[in-house]
Amino acid sequence: DAKTTQPTSMDCAEGRAANLPCNHSTISGNEYVYWYRQIHSQGPQYIIHGLKNNETNEMASLIITEDRKSSTLILPHATLRDTAVYYCIVRDYRDDKIIFGKGTRLHILP
Amino acid sequence: NAGVTQTPKFQVLKTGQSMTLQCAQDMNHNSMYWYRQDPGMGLRLIYYSASEGTTDKGEVPNGYNVSRLNKREFSLRLESAAPSQTSVYFCASSAQGATDTQYFGPGTRLTVL
Repeated sequence: DAKTTQPTSMDCAEGRAANLPCNHSTISGNEYVYWYRQIHSQGPQYIIHGLKNNETNEMASLIITEDRKSSTLILPHATLRDTAVYYCIVRDYRDDKIIFGKGTRLHILP
Repeated sequence: NAGVTQTPKFQVLKTGQSMTLQCAQDMNHNSMYWYRQDPGMGLRLIYYSASEGTTDKGEVPNGYNVSRLNKREFSLRLESAAPSQTSVYFCASSAQGATDTQYFGPGTRLTVL
C-alpha cells in the first residue's frame, strides 16, 4: 500500500505558485520523499526528491517539515503544461521498488 | 540515447491468447520495473528486477511472468490473457543507489477482448 496521502485534485491559476501537499506520517528515517508527475497518458516523469532538507531544482521546490511527516511540492510559476497527476512517494533507500499511490490531479486554469 | 523503449505501443488480444511485452534501456541501469495503470488509477507494480538475473514480485504479479534477459532488457509475459489485464503497461529503469530515480518508457496499451 502507498504510504502517502494526497488530495484527489487541485486547481491553480496560470502564473501562480502551485502548492501540492502530501502527508507521510509513518515515514521512517531510511525513507526519502520523491515526487513524480504524469502528463496525460505519458510515462511518469521524475520531478524532485529529498530526505529532510528542502530541495530546489529547475522544475520545483520540495519543502519537508521538520518532523518529516508531511511535505509540499511547489511549482513556482505554473503553466498550462503543468496540468498533470502528481505522485508523492515515500521510498526506503534500501528498497528497489517504488509504490505509487493515486496522486493529485492538478488543473492549471488559464 | 533512447532511454527506455517499449514494444509494441498498442496490442489487442483475445481472451486466452499469450503475448510478451518487450522493454529495453540504454542507460546501463541495474534495476528495471513493470507497472500497470488502469483507467483513472495510479500505477501498480507488477514485477521488478534489482539486477541482471534477479526478479521479484510487486503488488499485482498474478497472471504475469517476467524475464530479465540481460542488463538492457526486461520482458513481461501474459500466458493466458484475461479481460482484467486490459491496461496500460509501463516499463521503467533506474540506477541503484540511495537517490536514484526511475525513468519510464512511453507505455503499451493492451486490450483483451
